[in-house]
Amino acid sequence: SQQGEEDPQALSIQEGENATMNCSYKTSINNLQWYRQNSGRGLVHLILIRSNEREKHSGRLRVTLDTSKKSSSLLITASRAADTASYFCATDAEGYSTLTFGKGTMLLVSP
Amino acid sequence: DVKVTQSSRYLVKRTGEKVFLECVQDMDHENMFWYRQDPGLGLRLIYFSYDVKMKEKGDIPEGYSVSREKKERFSLILESASTNQTSMYLCASSLRQGPSYNEQFFGPGTRLTVL
Repeated sequence: SQQGEEDPQALSIQEGENATMNCSYKTSINNLQWYRQNSGRGLVHLILIRSNEREKHSGRLRVTLDTSKKSSSLLITASRAADTASYFCATDAEGYSTLTFGKGTMLLVSP
Repeated sequence: DVKVTQSSRYLVKRTGEKVFLECVQDMDHENMFWYRQDPGLGLRLIYFSYDVKMKEKGDIPEGYSVSREKKERFSLILESASTNQTSMYLCASSLRQGPSYNEQFFGPGTRLTVL
């Protein structure tokens, strides 16, 4: 099955800085989603971008999608210590209703 | 407020025991999913269900079975637990159609240890 791959695996920044995470995938998709997971907890949906969209914003989050390169990026602006978590991209391949998750980027935001 | 609950946060079982993990959602979602999450391997889909009494194998169904007798409840069964099934188990649900049809809502997870 196709799988998103996040990059970098881990990212450490200071509060107030921006954090950028990337996701690459292999086959055509209907949409791409980003989720957050706080340590030892379930995942929380952050944002969904459809294959015909190029950019989407939600609060301090900005997601871009480049279907020609089969890649997406998640930007968190003005990061806070509370943003410390793992971030996963998930793809919904054309013709399938399940999601395939990447292995995640672990973000550490230091005060 | 949407909610997915799982029967236990932590569970310790012995090798060979039959283990039941329960998941309940209150959002009237058609789709329900069971994943396991292991370090370095990410989330892997075990089984999913599109409707009551319906089930589909995911990527790693071996050693597991599921039951969906009611729309809101999806159970994962380990027929004979083994140490390599020690993992974090996550349940999720989603709508089958509509503008947010594929957004998944997750439970808090069950950390299962098999000794």
